[in-house]
Amino acid sequence: QVQLVESGGGVVQPGRSLRLSCAASGFTLSSYAMHWVRQAPGKGLEWVAVISSDGSKTYYADSVKGRFTISRDNSKNTLYLQMNSLRAEDTAVYYCARAFGQLLSNAFDIWGQGTMVTVSS
Amino acid sequence: EIVLTQSPGTLSLSPGERATLSCRASQSVSSSYLAWYQQKPGQAPRLLIYGASSRATGIPDRFSGSGSGTDFTLTISRLEPEDFAVYFCQQYGRSPYTFGQGTKVEIK
Repeated sequence: QVQLVESGGGVVQPGRSLRLSCAASGFTLSSYAMHWVRQAPGKGLEWVAVISSDGSKTYYADSVKGRFTISRDNSKNTLYLQMNSLRAEDTAVYYCARAFGQLLSNAFDIWGQGTMVTVSS
Repeated sequence: EIVLTQSPGTLSLSPGERATLSCRASQSVSSSYLAWYQQKPGQAPRLLIYGASSRATGIPDRFSGSGSGTDFTLTISRLEPEDFAVYFCQQYGRSPYTFGQGTKVEIK
């Protein structure tokens, strides 16, 4: 069935790096724009980044711009989020989500189960 | 950045009652690029409504969305036990794709 599975979360010290992966199955990743969304413990949803279906366009939330990089490998049906210079305020569950089509301006119709990132010394 | 403000913060209702959730945008949301999501504890969000009023696949017709411009509403006509959850609105017309802070629908 159509599914997204995140991995790569864990506990990391402030200032260090972490790379998240999101494996897609049941559909062809290259046909969809993809997003990362995060949720701090007990808080609401915060959009993080988006990448177009072919990887040519990326956009970021101001809170992560210059520190995080979204990328994709359509041949591997996998989405990535490289997170550098991590801060305590980056602690959250990170979800990957599929846009409802190729366009960036689409609702998020499929979500992964999330992977927890904890930034702490 | 478009700021979305949801009200009320918490809605206390009984099963069978009607729920009306509001989402107000700080600027007009282009082409009604407004979505609603439901989230239950420990679960990922689920898309309910897109384009302000179109139900996503498999969503029961007791869920309906309306509105345009800066004012949007999610209505649950008759609450079922599984509808008690947190609901988020989101604009996806342009980056950053902002979410509202959420409305919790709890059992009275």
